[in-house]
Amino acid sequence: DQQVKQNSPSLSVQEGRISILNCDYTNSMFDYFLWYKKYPAEGPTFLISISSIKDKNEDGRFTVFLNKSAKHLSLHIVPSQPGDSAVYFCAARGFGNEKLTFGTGTRLTIIP
Amino acid sequence: NAGVTQTPKFRILKIGQSMTLQCAQDMNHNYMYWYRQDPGMGLKLIYYSVGAGITDKGEVPNGYNVSRSTTEDFPLRLELAAPSQTSVYFCASSYRDFNYEQYFGPGTRLTVT
Repeated sequence: DQQVKQNSPSLSVQEGRISILNCDYTNSMFDYFLWYKKYPAEGPTFLISISSIKDKNEDGRFTVFLNKSAKHLSLHIVPSQPGDSAVYFCAARGFGNEKLTFGTGTRLTIIP
Repeated sequence: NAGVTQTPKFRILKIGQSMTLQCAQDMNHNYMYWYRQDPGMGLKLIYYSVGAGITDKGEVPNGYNVSRSTTEDFPLRLELAAPSQTSVYFCASSYRDFNYEQYFGPGTRLTVT
């Protein structure tokens, strides 16, 4: 049972435009959500996170939105740059639980 | 400060062989984790440790063993390798359970034939 779902395996966006990556979850006990970015042959690196008590968190070009009623979160990248081309993983964890549940990832390609 | 290091980067095993994947971190993190990533899939937790001497199973522990004798090191042992263990293995660490950010190593690509 996939508790964290990223239904778009890939996404292509023109440089300078907005990239929107989506993530859905089924477990209502999840209370913290993270996005990780992964380049080929490297480990994932933390990008941005959001607690369930918020609906938005912003860090430079990256903004994560959380819609708890829909069990949906999204990552917005504005403006998109070629260096943003990578695989993006959504992850979630439940209260008091150190384990992360990862989605299957979305490969973002920024077209120059 | 090297962060999380993993060795080897690549390895090919024959069915039935054993090996140990090494992981070390120099950030004095209490929590350490082993994940595997299969093609087109997310990361699956194999084992984790909340401190030296304490380990616990994750989502997919069968065929693996771990130990945590020091804060720095968290080796993953594969006994009797099987083709189903062909994957990319990532080690990660975090300071404490309330520090949600996990720092990942570069990964070990393992092929079992």
